[in-house]
This record gives sequence, structure tokens and C-alpha cells, in this order.
Amino acid sequence: EAQVTQNPRYLITVTGKKLTVTCSQNMNHEYMSWYRQDPGLGLRQIYYSMNVEVTDKGDVPEGYKVSRKEKRNFPLILESPSPNQTSLYFCASSFSGTANQPQHFGDGTRLSIL
Amino acid sequence: SQKIEQNSEALNIQEGKTATLTCNYTNYSPAYLQWYRQDPGRGPVFLLLIRENEKEKRKERLKVTFDTTLKQSLFHITASQPADSATYLCALPLGYQGGKLIFGQGTELSVKP
Repeated sequence: EAQVTQNPRYLITVTGKKLTVTCSQNMNHEYMSWYRQDPGLGLRQIYYSMNVEVTDKGDVPEGYKVSRKEKRNFPLILESPSPNQTSLYFCASSFSGTANQPQHFGDGTRLSIL
Repeated sequence: SQKIEQNSEALNIQEGKTATLTCNYTNYSPAYLQWYRQDPGRGPVFLLLIRENEKEKRKERLKVTFDTTLKQSLFHITASQPADSATYLCALPLGYQGGKLIFGQGTELSVKP
């Protein structure tokens, strides 16, 4: 089954403790992206990757890091999490990332930073 | 900067009626516009994509229009069913080469039996 898999689905942690949210897709997609979703603010793009070793900032990249060493994986790293990063995070992928390509989303990771 | 606005208030309609959701955008002229559905606790699911030179696109009970003069897209669900209850998001890709995608806040639709 074609899917985007995120792990963990839920995480409660404390300020300053580094964490990684993994994202993997099995559709051989070139493009992957991370979003956060907050009440009243909607989905906002954090980082995206058009291909392996190519990443770029979205609208809200501060406090996050990403890497794209393999086509299927696109982990999101919070080096020193803070409470304002408490949010619902989604990973997405698409065939090429061009404007005419739909994005396929994972089921989300709910992150709470205390 | 580019901005997308969707009806912020929830839309409540009776089963069998047509639901119409609005997406307005400013400061941009997109070549494409996308619509997604999101159920509680789930990721968005792609529904339809429309090009700037297409006035209308249909898929089963769904219809999307794209008015580049008004900078507006309308999303219609005909013969609505309770199973259509969800939040609907419109999204604008920034530039054809892609990468950046901005989303509206979504409109929550509730279809009552």
C-alpha cells in the first residue's frame, strides 16, 4: 500500500531534549515536505526537499533541521525543542513537487514540549 | 506576501443539499490550485487540482471552479452525505517548479442527516 509513515505518532517531552521525527514514503517520490498545523493558523510549511541532498526552507523553519540522505526518508530534527514547537506535524510527499502534483500526507505526529 | 482565506465559520447543511466552500487568495496569480479533505486526527487527503485556464473541474459529486479575475475558487459537493463531514483545505503551489505550498485554514463542513 502506498503510504507516508511518520513516527512517533505521539510524543511528550521536555524543553531542550533533542528529538527526531521520522518520515518514510514507499512511492519513490522525489519531493518530501514537513508541515506543522496549529489552531487558527492552519498548515504551515517548515522545510521541503525536491530531491536527495536538496532541501529548502518553508515559511516557518526556525528551530528545525532536516536532512535528505535517501529518497525515501526525510527526518525532522528539533535540536533544542521549546514549548512553542508544541504542534501537530505532518510529513508529505509527491512525485516531483511541481505545482501540478498532489501531495500525499502521513497521519501526523502530535508533539508536546513541556 | 501571498495569503489564502477560507470561510472561517463552520458550514452546517442538510443531507442532500449542495455544499459550497470558498477560497480567496491575494498577492499571487497561481497556475494551479488544489483542494484537500482532512478528517479529525488524520492527514489531509488530495481531492482535486485545477489549472488557471480551466474554469471548472468535476470528479463524481465534487466540482471546483477557478476564477483568476476574482482570485477565488469555489468547491461544491452536490447531494451531500453525512460522510462528507470533514474539514476542507485549499492550497496554492508557489511557482510551477514547486516546492512551496501554502494552505488556507480550512472550512469545517458538517452534513446533518
